Amino acid sequence: GENVEQHPSTLSVQEGDSAVIKCTYSDSASNYFPWYKQELGKRPQLIIDIRSNVGEKKDQRIAVTLNKTAKHFSLHITETQPEDSAVYFCAAVNFGNEKLTFGTGTRLTIIP
Amino acid sequence: SAVISQKPSRDICQRGTSLTIQCQVDSQVTMMFWYRQQPGQSLTLIATANQGSEATYESGFVIDKFPISRPNLTFSTLTVSNMSPEDSSIYLCSVGGLAGLETQYFGPGTRLLVL
Repeated sequence: GENVEQHPSTLSVQEGDSAVIKCTYSDSASNYFPWYKQELGKRPQLIIDIRSNVGEKKDQRIAVTLNKTAKHFSLHITETQPEDSAVYFCAAVNFGNEKLTFGTGTRLTIIP
Repeated sequence: SAVISQKPSRDICQRGTSLTIQCQVDSQVTMMFWYRQQPGQSLTLIATANQGSEATYESGFVIDKFPISRPNLTFSTLTVSNMSPEDSSIYLCSVGGLAGLETQYFGPGTRLLVL
């Protein structure tokens, strides 16, 4: 089955700087890659996603890149703000079974 | 987007008892899933709730321990049976098929503590 690795497990960034979280996946059949943000005590919220026919996608301060050959994808957050502090999860989906396989999560802390 | 609710939001249970968690969506959805998230950990898929047929369980999860029902396209239940302290966790339902078959949105979760 699919295996998703995520790094780093914790990340502290000065407010205003950029944060990058990286994931790799094992199943070349995976073709959809969402990112979720989970604040303490809350549900995971979808923040951005990318499909395998696209190399990059951007939404305001958030961007995701995908390298299908290397089987890795990354989340980029620019101009970080205190409200960006949360745990971020990457995931991979094989369109054939629609099952999400999650990475282990990254706890992002923005230092004011 | 759809409104997804879960009941109860939290519960404290005695070992050996069972708890049924409900997941309700305000619109019909193709896919419904149940996840477990242990404290400080990632999310692990328990099973896919299939409408009108038996759920599809992931490795390590069995129907006797986690029976699931899905009587229609807007509702599902997960029962945690014969609970032990190791079952203390957050249980979340998710739905897919609202914005693309593979995109999943999560319910608020049920926080379970087993004593």
